[in-house]
Amino acid sequence: DMKVTQMPRYLIKRMGENVLLECGQDMSHETMYWYRQDPGLGLQLIYISYDVDSNSEGDIPKGYRVSRKKREHFSLILDSAKTNQTSVYFCASSLSGTGGANSDYTFGSGTRLLVI
Amino acid sequence: KTQVEQSPQSLVVRQGENCVLQCNYSVTPDNHLRWFKQDTGKGLVSLTVLVDQKDKTSNGRYSATLDKDAKHSTLHITATLLDDTATYICVVGDRGSALGRLHFGAGTQLIVIP
Repeated sequence: DMKVTQMPRYLIKRMGENVLLECGQDMSHETMYWYRQDPGLGLQLIYISYDVDSNSEGDIPKGYRVSRKKREHFSLILDSAKTNQTSVYFCASSLSGTGGANSDYTFGSGTRLLVI
Repeated sequence: KTQVEQSPQSLVVRQGENCVLQCNYSVTPDNHLRWFKQDTGKGLVSLTVLVDQKDKTSNGRYSATLDKDAKHSTLHITATLLDDTATYICVVGDRGSALGRLHFGAGTQLIVIP
């Protein structure tokens, strides 16, 4: 079964702590994404990665950074977490790059982060 | 400003009934439109993608329409099952290239009761 795996599923951190969210995919997809989902809002794009070490900011990159050293693995890092970063974070991947109708989007099950 | 509006916000139907979910958007350009299903606590799963100026798709009990002139899409679910309980998310892709972005609606929460 082709899939995107996110770890951990649930995380509680104190304000000011560093946070590492991990994402892996087994489909050799070039493009990977990090989104956050908040109640009443659509998913918001944090970062896109087009391939290893080829990352671009999305719509809400402030307070986040990413790392992609292997095609199958994409990490989201929060340096000094803030309470307004409490959210559900989704990782996704696609084969044909972003935007196209033929892009085969696969989403992970999400990481629920609570910053207290 | 929200560029993808979905209605209703939530909907309760009895098993076996049909339902229609609406999506209006202002995204320009509008290369394609996708409907995703999100089960509680899970990721998004693609149901269908619409591309043409006036498009229709069918995927089992799910059927969808797109009218790019009206910037409007509908998702029809026929003979609902309890497993259809989920949030349905409308997503507009603004380009068919690596420069494109996906614009997400907030979703319609569908609850199917026995």
